[in-house]
Amino acid sequence: KNQVEQSPQSLIILEGKNCTLQCNYTVSPFSNLRWYKQDTGRGPVSLTIMTFSENTKSNGRYTATLDADTKQSSLHITASQLSDSASYICVVSAPSGTYKYIFGTGTRLKVLA
Amino acid sequence: SAVISQKPSRDICQRGTSLTIQCQVDSQVTMMFWYRQQPGQSLTLIATANQGSEATYESGFVIDKFPISRPNLTFSTLTVSNMSPEDSSIYLCSVVVQGRADTQYFGPGTRLTVL
Repeated sequence: KNQVEQSPQSLIILEGKNCTLQCNYTVSPFSNLRWYKQDTGRGPVSLTIMTFSENTKSNGRYTATLDADTKQSSLHITASQLSDSASYICVVSAPSGTYKYIFGTGTRLKVLA
Repeated sequence: SAVISQKPSRDICQRGTSLTIQCQVDSQVTMMFWYRQQPGQSLTLIATANQGSEATYESGFVIDKFPISRPNLTFSTLTVSNMSPEDSSIYLCSVVVQGRADTQYFGPGTRLTVL
């Protein structure tokens, strides 16, 4: 069964600190893996997208990594800000053209001043 | 990319009534989807909105409860019928842009509370 699992479920850090969120998946084959940020009460916004052949992708203070062999991805947030408080969702796409997207349950991040 | 707007952004409704949510995209898109996100949960796909034909529903969702229309390539509506408190959720419209089959964009969501 295609699954995407994220850890931790929730995380609290102090402003300025770094953190890493994990995503493990069983989807195979897959087209790409995306990380979204979802502010409370809003729709998800894409942070990074990686194909199976890419190992890392950065977007400002967000850096995503992908290990297709172990089927693991991580999202590293550097120098966290209060505005980083949100849910972060990992989404794995089935092969291109199938329009099948498997969502993780998300990690809820809280950044404290 | 695609800019997606949803109306209303939020609503509070009485049990037994219905609400229609609109989704408008600023460009022609290949696919349009409707998701539900219950409090503290991830997104659950309700259905794929098909242009000019009946939507394709996921297991657990039926047309009588969630009728969907998609009259053209840039617009769709989702109706939540005969609402109960269990329908309180965020409803999200999502699209895949033509030529970008692997990238999914989301609308801002409609926060529905049923009393």
